Amino acid sequence: GENVEQHPSTLSVQEGDSAVIKCTYSDSASNYFPWYKQELGKRPQLIIDIRSNVGEKKDQRIAVTLNKTAKHFSLHITETQPEDSAVYFCAASMILSGSARQLTFGSGTQLTVLP
Amino acid sequence: GAVVSQHPSWVICKSGTSVKIECRSLDFQATTMFWYRQFPKQSLMLMATSNEGSKATYEQGVEKDKFLINHASLTLSTLTVTSAHPEDSSFYICSARESGRAPKSFNEQFFGPGTRLTVL
Repeated sequence: GENVEQHPSTLSVQEGDSAVIKCTYSDSASNYFPWYKQELGKRPQLIIDIRSNVGEKKDQRIAVTLNKTAKHFSLHITETQPEDSAVYFCAASMILSGSARQLTFGSGTQLTVLP
Repeated sequence: GAVVSQHPSWVICKSGTSVKIECRSLDFQATTMFWYRQFPKQSLMLMATSNEGSKATYEQGVEKDKFLINHASLTLSTLTVTSAHPEDSSFYICSARESGRAPKSFNEQFFGPGTRLTVL
């Protein structure tokens, strides 16, 4: 089955700096890679996703890059703000018949943005 | 749109009792729902995949007789933790994937708010 590794487990940055979180996956058949933000005691919220036919995707301060050959993908947050502080999870899945199958999550990164 | 609810949001029970958690898709039909368990400061671990009208598919290491899943309709899946013990205390989260017409992002799973289970 799929195995997703995520680094670092904790990350502290100064407000305004950039944050980068990296993930690797094992199953070359995976072709869908979402990123979730989870605040304490709340549900994961999708912040950005990328499919394997795209190498990079950006949405305002958030961007994700994908290297299929190396089987790794990264989340980039620029101009970080204190409200970006949360746990971030990467995940991998496979799209079959037009919809995504089960997600395999990384271990999570606790991001703290210091004011 | 694409709202998923869970009930209850938290529950405290005595060891040996059974607890039922409901997961509902409020504004869409979900052929497939997923149940996850999340221990403190850990990741979401998939427990089982629930398909409407058929038996759930359990992940390795998850006891199907202990975690009973029923997906009787396109908007409701239930997880029953039978004979709960303190080690079952966790945050249980469901997610649902829309069937039929694709939403804005057809790849997306929509998560419920979670249920905090504490077994004394």
